[in-house]
Amino acid sequence: SQQGEEDPQALSIQEGENATMNCSYKTSINNLQWYRQNSGRGLVHLILIRSNEREKHSGRLRVTLDTSKKSSSLLITASRAADTASYFCATDKSGTYKYIFGTGTRLKVLA
Amino acid sequence: GAVVSQHPSRVICKSGTSVKIECRSLDFQATTMFWYRQFPKQSLMLMATSNEGSKATYEQGVEKDKFLINHASLTLSTLTVTSAHPEDSSFYICSATGQGAGETQYFGPGTRLLVL
Repeated sequence: SQQGEEDPQALSIQEGENATMNCSYKTSINNLQWYRQNSGRGLVHLILIRSNEREKHSGRLRVTLDTSKKSSSLLITASRAADTASYFCATDKSGTYKYIFGTGTRLKVLA
Repeated sequence: GAVVSQHPSRVICKSGTSVKIECRSLDFQATTMFWYRQFPKQSLMLMATSNEGSKATYEQGVEKDKFLINHASLTLSTLTVTSAHPEDSSFYICSATGQGAGETQYFGPGTRLLVL
């Protein structure tokens, strides 16, 4: 299975702290995306990083990609209680737009 | 960003009945739509890929006769769970990509199915 793995599975931090989540995958990719999901809701797209990019920023989010290690990380700086959600990475299968999701990290930010 | 809707948001049905879930792209032409299912506290598992006007491609282990997918137009795909059983209870999410969406998949809000 191509499914990626994320760690940690669960993370609990205090408001204002930074949260780092890691994603590892198994095969070569074109793109890697990060999504957020609030409990029982649909997914919200956060950021897309291409295989030829190493780092990308969007607001308080910073994503890195290391294709040699087949891994990516998502950093949320100055976390807020509203950041509490599950975060998933998704990797594509070359040329198909088909994305396979990682196992997810459940983040809890305590006020 | 692009909007994808799903209907219904939640459905309860009796075992043995069929349930249809609709997925619509509201402001772009979805040449490709994907259907996922998600069990509680687990990740999304891709069930099938559908391209407008052609048969869906199912992932390994997904019964195509049980999960009927129709992608008849560039804005609508339907998933019908036939002869539903309690083990089919899950959260079903669709996503769409196509002209105007770039490489991003836009996800619907999901449909929670409970089979009694």
